[in-house]
This record gives sequence, C-alpha cells and structure tokens, in this order.
Amino acid sequence: DTAVSQTPKYLVTQMGNDKSIKCEQNLGHDTMYWYKQDSKKFLKIMFSYNNKELIINETVPNRFSPKSPDKAHLNLHINSLELGDSAVYFCASSQVVEGYEQYFGPGTRLTVT
Amino acid sequence: KQEVTQIPAALSVPEGENLVLNCSFTDSAIYNLQWFRQDPGKGLTSLLLIQSSQREQTSGRLNASLDKSSGRSTLYIAASQPGDSATYLCAVRPVRGSTLGRLYFGRGTQLTVWP
Repeated sequence: DTAVSQTPKYLVTQMGNDKSIKCEQNLGHDTMYWYKQDSKKFLKIMFSYNNKELIINETVPNRFSPKSPDKAHLNLHINSLELGDSAVYFCASSQVVEGYEQYFGPGTRLTVT
Repeated sequence: KQEVTQIPAALSVPEGENLVLNCSFTDSAIYNLQWFRQDPGKGLTSLLLIQSSQREQTSGRLNASLDKSSGRSTLYIAASQPGDSATYLCAVRPVRGSTLGRLYFGRGTQLTVWP
C-alpha cells in the first residue's frame, strides 16, 4: 500500500555508466517531481511532470532525462554518470500542480565511484 | 528568487520540553508552506500544509503558524519525545507563474530529543 515508491533504494555505479531510477505513485495524482538532495542535505527540484507533460525543468545537465510513460510513473535516466551526481534522489507527487501537498518517496541513494 | 532559511540548524532538548522551530522566506508571494520530517536514511513525511490564506494548522502535538507578510513560519512541538528526533524541513510553494509547482526548501533543523 506504498504511496510513492522508488527503485532501486541504493545504486552504486562507476563513472561513465548510464543508469535509471524508477518512480511509481498509486495515489492517483496528476503531477510528479524529481528532487536531488546533496551531501549537505539541501533539497532542490530537478523536474516536474503534469499529466505526462514536462512543466518544470531546472538547470540540470542534459545527461539527466526524465520520462513519464503514464501519470503514475516518472523515471529518471542519467547518462555518462559523474562523481558529482552522487546524491539522494527523491520522487514526489501531488494531486494538482498548485496548492496540494507533495508526497515523497523513500529516496534512491546514488553513489558514483 | 525565493530563499528559505531555518533556524536553528540543530537543536538538542530533554524529553518533555516544548519547542519552536523557525522558518523564514524572502518572497512573501507564496501559495502555501509545507513542513516535513525526515528521518535518517529515509524519505520526507509531510507534517502540515498551510495555505497562504491560513494562519495556522494543528496536528496532534504539532502546531504550525504562518505570517506571510513578514515571511515567517514556526513549527511548535509540544511535550517533545525521543521519537520526535529527526530533521524538520520547511518548504514554500510560490504563486503561479514560471515557478509553478516547485517547492523551495530550507536546509532543515536537526532535532534531538534525549530521554
């Protein structure tokens, strides 16, 4: 009965590899987000999708590409991983883009060696 | 650009104390403000959501207030317990426009409640 789930929970990979993180929500929400939490615990938005349409694209390297196959899923693909990509990535969802509570997934800890 | 500051960065109190966590934001044009709790190695749990038209919200031992004009919010925790130990994050959502949908987070207050 998990509301927002992410896989994998941990991801360790080498520089230069390509990896994906998956997110699914079963809340019936129409908006999903990806956030990055850096080593200093600061959370910053990366992307937001509303009804499968990209509405927020922060200043993120184009090595990061979100994909939303349907309203319940928002995956994050990362090409050519770099050391600086090491962080915890959180997926979130909300009912409507504005004004509704955001519900977060458990996070994916990415370590690039 | 919206900036969110949380004070103090860390707080350590004995069990049973009432405490206040502070959050300030630079742009008062917000749609709402949300308080979260984050346990080590875990995701964020939403505690309270205050719409811009509201002054406060309560949930159990938690009470959050909002003074939009002065750019401040406080989270009051009554009768603190060791299980309250976590990092508390404040986040604001700007009004409509190019910033539609995003939350701006503070860096959090790390709370430790000891028995």
